[in-house]
Amino acid sequence: NAGVMQNPRHLVRRRGQEARLRCSPMKGHSHVYWYRQLPEEGLKFMVYLQKENIIDESGMPKERFSAEFPKEGPSILRIQQVVRGDSAAYFCASSPFQGGRNTIYFGEGSWLTVV
Amino acid sequence: ELKVEQNPLFLSMQEGKNYTIYCNYSTTSDRLYWYRQDPGKSLESLFVLLSNGAVKQEGRLMASLDTKARLSTLHITAAVHDLSATYFCAVDPSPSGGSNYKLTFGKGTLLTVNP
Repeated sequence: NAGVMQNPRHLVRRRGQEARLRCSPMKGHSHVYWYRQLPEEGLKFMVYLQKENIIDESGMPKERFSAEFPKEGPSILRIQQVVRGDSAAYFCASSPFQGGRNTIYFGEGSWLTVV
Repeated sequence: ELKVEQNPLFLSMQEGKNYTIYCNYSTTSDRLYWYRQDPGKSLESLFVLLSNGAVKQEGRLMASLDTKARLSTLHITAAVHDLSATYFCAVDPSPSGGSNYKLTFGKGTLLTVNP
């Protein structure tokens, strides 16, 4: 039973390029969450998606960041025109349901380095 | 804004010793999570504490929650090298039965257990 799968695990981008991070939730999970971990910080919530819907994007920066979870395929976090401050670990998590006492399960993260 | 503070942020201890990591948070919550993160890896769920007075134990780790004091502790008994990792607490500020995803994390405690 595969866990939450993220790729790429490591990504290097030059300033101004685009970064695309992919996340496949655990089997049977239809709720996906993205978190960002800046150096020496705890994780911070970015966005919550279900298939074809953004449920809560209150943690997303207003510009350059977008997320989707299409009907088919993985969830994608897209960062346009990356800047040095975007360098971080981006974690995806999933759960079978939302709310209540359900634990969310994290993937191994995608480490983005902007040079 | 919910604030979650862990201390200490760095902990170096000898094998066989006991120690406690503290997690204070600033708003009412009855759900608190402890995670372990190894370098370059995902977060592994250790404990989910869902009510005041909750205590859970797994091996050499024991976690407790005091919602009145807004404090959780992670106690390490007779530490071994394999426990070396970063430990995060995370708080879900939503009402019971509400979201389980918009967690606010502390900065983490980097634990190093020396032989």
